[in-house]
Parts: sequence; C-alpha cells; structure tokens
Amino acid sequence: AQSVTQLDSHVSVSEGTPVLLRCNYSSSYSPSLFWYVQHPNKGLQLLLKYTSAATLVKGINGFEAEFKKSETSFHLTKPSAHMSDAAEYFCVVTNSSYKLIFGSGTRLLVRP
Amino acid sequence: GAVVSQHPSRVICKSGTSVKIECRSLDFQATTMFWYRQFPKQSLMLMATSNEGSKATYEQGVEKDKFLINHASLTLSTLTVTSAHPEDSSFYICSATIGSNQPQHFGDGTRLSIL
Repeated sequence: AQSVTQLDSHVSVSEGTPVLLRCNYSSSYSPSLFWYVQHPNKGLQLLLKYTSAATLVKGINGFEAEFKKSETSFHLTKPSAHMSDAAEYFCVVTNSSYKLIFGSGTRLLVRP
Repeated sequence: GAVVSQHPSRVICKSGTSVKIECRSLDFQATTMFWYRQFPKQSLMLMATSNEGSKATYEQGVEKDKFLINHASLTLSTLTVTSAHPEDSSFYICSATIGSNQPQHFGDGTRLSIL
C-alpha cells in the first residue's frame, strides 16, 4: 500500500531564508509524487510533480523537490522564503488506482 | 490553463436543507472528478470518484444516499448533501483530471455550515 509521511506539522522560517519541508513515502512500485499548496479557505494548487523522469523536479514559485529512492524521500525546498509562501503544504502519492494519498500537511509560517 | 471552478464558495443553511455544490472544469474535459472533505486543520479525505456518464464510486464509510454525486458531462459534476445536519459542516473540495495518472486540478472549495 502507498502512504506518505510529512515529518513536520509546522515549519517556521524568516523571510529570505531557505525552506525545507520533509516528506517520506512508501510505495510498492515506482510512484508518482506531488506537492500541493493550500492557502486559507482555498483549494489546492499543484506546485510540482515527479513521474519517474528527472529526480530533481522544478516547480512554480521557485520551489523544487528531489526524489531520492534510496531514502524514500521527496523533500520540498526553496532557497529564499517570501511572506506569500505562508500556507499549508501537502505531499501526495498516487496509489495503483491513481487516487491521491495525502500526507497530513505541513503549515509553513514565514516571519518578517 | 486547467482551471476548475467550484460554486458556491460558502453556504450557510438550516438543518434539514439539501445543498448542491457544482464543480466545473472551465478549459479542459475532465473524464474523472473527485470530491474531498476537509476538516479543520486536517488533510483531505477522498469521498468519491466520479466518472462522466457512470455512477460514482464511494469510499468506505461515505453514505452514497447522503452525498449524491452526478457527473452528467465532461465539464460538470455536482455534489448534493441531502438533509444536511450540523455534523455535515465541513470544507468540501472537488478536483478534476483529464485521465489516469494525470495531475488533479482543484477547485477553491465550498465552506458548508449547517445551523
């Protein structure tokens, strides 16, 4: 069965400093992995996706994630946080029926 | 591209009312739409998968007679919460995709509050 674990429920950074949101996955086959962002009272916006091509995936708004099979990780990073990055972030894996399996979410707080 | 519109964004109504939520893919044809429920400070829970022209597939524990789903066209799916009660209050989000293993594109959600 597929599952995803987001290791931090909250991450707080200062504006202009790097962001690291951690995600580990479990999958019995080569997975498709996604990161989505949700701003308050909004739906989810796709940041980036990994589908077995390049292991370093670049997304929107300066975010990127690296797929590491040996570590079963798909951590999300950004070199410099903006205030507008404050939101909830979800790491997601698909199962064999292509349904999305969501992590529990990480709330990113950006301090001025 | 890949815009999904969900309407209404917020509903407040009395207990016993039935509420319909619409989900439209504006610039693509969605063979599959999904309905999720999200409780405060929690992740999304898949309620059902809806394929155009066929009956929805409900997840375990979701009452299909309570949450009626219709997917009559490739651009529209509706979720009707029948005889809503306060425990049905939640944030409901739809998503749409052009096919299997393709990204899902999400609507902005509907905040349902039952008094």
